[in-house]
Amino acid sequence: EVQLVESGGGLVKPGGSLRLSCAASGFTFSAYSMNWVRQAPGKGLEWVSSISNAGNYIHYVDSVRGRFTISRDDAKDSLYLQMNSLRAEDTALYYCARSRTAYSGSIYFDYWGQGTLVTVSS
Amino acid sequence: DIQMTQSPSSLSASVGDRVTVTCRASQSITSYLNWYQQIPGKAPRLLLYAASTLQSGVPSRFSGSGSGTDFSLTISSLQPEDFATYYCQQTYSTPHTFGQGTRLEIK
Repeated sequence: EVQLVESGGGLVKPGGSLRLSCAASGFTFSAYSMNWVRQAPGKGLEWVSSISNAGNYIHYVDSVRGRFTISRDDAKDSLYLQMNSLRAEDTALYYCARSRTAYSGSIYFDYWGQGTLVTVSS
Repeated sequence: DIQMTQSPSSLSASVGDRVTVTCRASQSITSYLNWYQQIPGKAPRLLLYAASTLQSGVPSRFSGSGSGTDFSLTISSLQPEDFATYYCQQTYSTPHTFGQGTRLEIK
């Protein structure tokens, strides 16, 4: 059974840092691209970042580029998001999600974790 | 960035109704369009990918269509468990933007 379990969320002051983790199990983690998606309280979904299976293709949404760093450790079946210079608008539930690519080339997110809550407040 | 616009933002319907949600992209995304369902307090669940391919385990009452800029999600006969929020997402280019969501409520 595929499982994604996020951790590392919490309350942090503006300007502070957090490192989120996503522990994967039930599949060959190294073979899949992975993503972080966030959802502010009462709001919609926002894609944050993705990393390819080899770790050589990385993308960010503009609002976090230069502040957040996505990484992976295939030996530990884990995905990470280092979050620096946090702002109030980064407050959200952060999900990790697995990517798959259809035969047509279309990418989709087929498994999601339950999320870890990040609150940025003084 | 590609903007995704869903309509309506909310919808009231009854069990057994046929409902359609539409999603429009600000530029062509060919068929790189996914649909997700989110029940309050739960993680999103993939329903359809590549505009019209049903994810394994998803009931056949869900269907999707469209290409280019205009897409739709149809639920042929609403069941009680379908009352949720639905999101479209484009993966044609990064950022992989989502629509703002369509909240489906019980009439």
